[in-house]
Amino acid sequence: KQEVTQIPAALSVPEGENLVLNCSFTDSAIYNLQWFRQDPGKGLTSLLLIQSSQREQTSGRLNASLDKSSGRSTLYIAASQPGDSATYLCAVSPSGGGTYKYIFGTGTRLKVLA
Amino acid sequence: DTEVTQTPKHLVMGMTNKKSLKCEQHMGHRAMYWYKQKAKKPPELMFVYSYEKLSINESVPSRFSPECPNSSLLNLHLHALQPEDSALYLCASSPDANYGYTFGSGTRLTVV
Repeated sequence: KQEVTQIPAALSVPEGENLVLNCSFTDSAIYNLQWFRQDPGKGLTSLLLIQSSQREQTSGRLNASLDKSSGRSTLYIAASQPGDSATYLCAVSPSGGGTYKYIFGTGTRLKVLA
Repeated sequence: DTEVTQTPKHLVMGMTNKKSLKCEQHMGHRAMYWYKQKAKKPPELMFVYSYEKLSINESVPSRFSPECPNSSLLNLHLHALQPEDSALYLCASSPDANYGYTFGSGTRLTVV
């Protein structure tokens, strides 16, 4: 059974720091992995989608990498800002035959201090 | 249009009430999803519709009844809910299986 873990569970950093959020999954047979951001009480905003054949994706100050063989993905945030404060969730889509299920990690709550 | 729209944004209902949540997308996506999220927990999958047919029901109690009237619209009918059903209900869509999700902003449901 696929399990997705995110470390750390919470993180507080001063503005301007570069930081790394981690996502681990137990079964390397995935179709893709998606990173989301969630503000308190709000829906999820898609940040980056990495297909299993890709190693990384970039969008602005965000860079996500994927190492399927080791069951890990990292989300790198450059020059963090207070507006980056949110919960970050990763989700994996298990491979094999048209699955619609995403399995979510437990999330990392990020606070960027001004 | 690249959004998933959910209405209402907030809903308070009594345990004997019947209400419905609505979700709409006009991106041509053929898969639509209902998720439930409790505070400080990841979203939990409830139902999946693909090509307007129910393809996954994650053993959700019958007091939750999904409906997909057409490819753009997804409803969740609620009846005789319990206080523990209070949560954020999220709708999502994707072009098909194995594609990334687009989420709506959610409906905050409180059962009193």
